[in-house]
Amino acid sequence: AQSVTQPDIHITVSEGASLELRCNYSYGATPYLFWYVQSPGQGLQLLLKYFSGDTLVQGIKGFEAEFKRSQSSFNLRKPSVHWSDAAEYFCAARGYQKVTFGTGTKLQVIP
Amino acid sequence: EPEVTQTPSHQVTQMGQEVILRCVPISNHLYFYWYRQILGQKVEFLVSFYNNEISEKSEIFDDQFSVERPDGSNFTLKIRSTKLEDSAMYFCASREGSNSYEQYFGPGTRLTVT
Repeated sequence: AQSVTQPDIHITVSEGASLELRCNYSYGATPYLFWYVQSPGQGLQLLLKYFSGDTLVQGIKGFEAEFKRSQSSFNLRKPSVHWSDAAEYFCAARGYQKVTFGTGTKLQVIP
Repeated sequence: EPEVTQTPSHQVTQMGQEVILRCVPISNHLYFYWYRQILGQKVEFLVSFYNNEISEKSEIFDDQFSVERPDGSNFTLKIRSTKLEDSAMYFCASREGSNSYEQYFGPGTRLTVT
């Protein structure tokens, strides 16, 4: 069955520190991969996506993600976190039709 | 930039009542979806819709749920007899065509069943 795993439920980082959020997927073939961010009570904002080609993809707000087929991973990174990055982050994968979401990682940013 | 819109943003209803959640997908899109997110949980797929019929549905999407594209622009999710556990954020999404990869999500409707 298709699945997306985000092993970290909650991460706390200091403002200005680097960030890596982990995501692993289990699909029959390479799916289309996404990272979304959700602020409390808000909708889903697409940060970046991977379909094919260059395995390092750049997104909005200074985020990037690297697709590693050998590890079935698609980790999200940011070199320097800002307080406004505090939110919940969802990794997602799309097979033929539906998008399967991970359980999310809540990011807390401390001064 | 075109976007998916959803109305209302917040709906409060009593248990047992019928609710209709409305979505206006991006105008040239052909594939439509509903997802839901119970508070504090992950986003879950409910149903996909193409060519005026359901193409895939999850086990959550039981007989209490139905979807419809009543005209050329709206895509609706109906819950016939709401239960407390239907309280969630409901997201609509649309996709352009079979060769497009990305689903565009609306801002969501928060449904509260009391």
